[in-house]
Amino acid sequence: DSGVTQTPKHLITATGQRVTLRCSPRSGDLSVYWYQQSLDQGLQFLIQYYNGEERAKGNILERFSAQQFPDLHSELNLSSLELGDSALYFCASSADLPAYEQYFGPGTRLTVT
Amino acid sequence: DAKTTQPPSMDCAEGRAANLPCNHSTISGNEYVYWYRQIHSQGPQYIIHGLKNNETNEMASLIITEDRKSSTLILPHATLRDTAVYYCIVRARNTDKLIFGTGTRLQVFP
Repeated sequence: DSGVTQTPKHLITATGQRVTLRCSPRSGDLSVYWYQQSLDQGLQFLIQYYNGEERAKGNILERFSAQQFPDLHSELNLSSLELGDSALYFCASSADLPAYEQYFGPGTRLTVT
Repeated sequence: DAKTTQPPSMDCAEGRAANLPCNHSTISGNEYVYWYRQIHSQGPQYIIHGLKNNETNEMASLIITEDRKSSTLILPHATLRDTAVYYCIVRARNTDKLIFGTGTRLQVFP
């Protein structure tokens, strides 16, 4: 158990819908990362927040957005969902910067039908 | 970030050492070598990292060649629970994001 929690574990929704994935980092960790793992693209970095501020951006679509709240939990919002958004979404957290070790949560499996 | 090349799959007998190679010939001086693994569809798990010296922890050893163009992750006594995809990642000192490649699928057999 990494100490990072993600909810929900599974999510099934229809194309065009909007969903919110939630992540609680390890106690004391200020940095949160979101990654997407799909069958054809592998594990891809989406975005990083540090203490509430966006710190780095990767291959995140404009239909996706994220934020980190004052209590340090983070949410990833996915809108206008397409079939290709079906994937595992992982959240990770780390304590300091640079982040020598990232702790990954168990993931949210999103299925878009 | 420098690109890494890993064999797509490897087998190892239980109890033997598993040696997973990684080529990173374009690595620059400020880039670290990291290893993570992913067991089935669980979240990736950090194993070890290094800059130029060999490193060892309770999970594994990391051997980096003197020219830093390649490295080897060593699991000294592989168990069935070590069956996973192992990712070798090169990461610059001034960035935190991890760029995952396709990794090596290690199968440990009894």
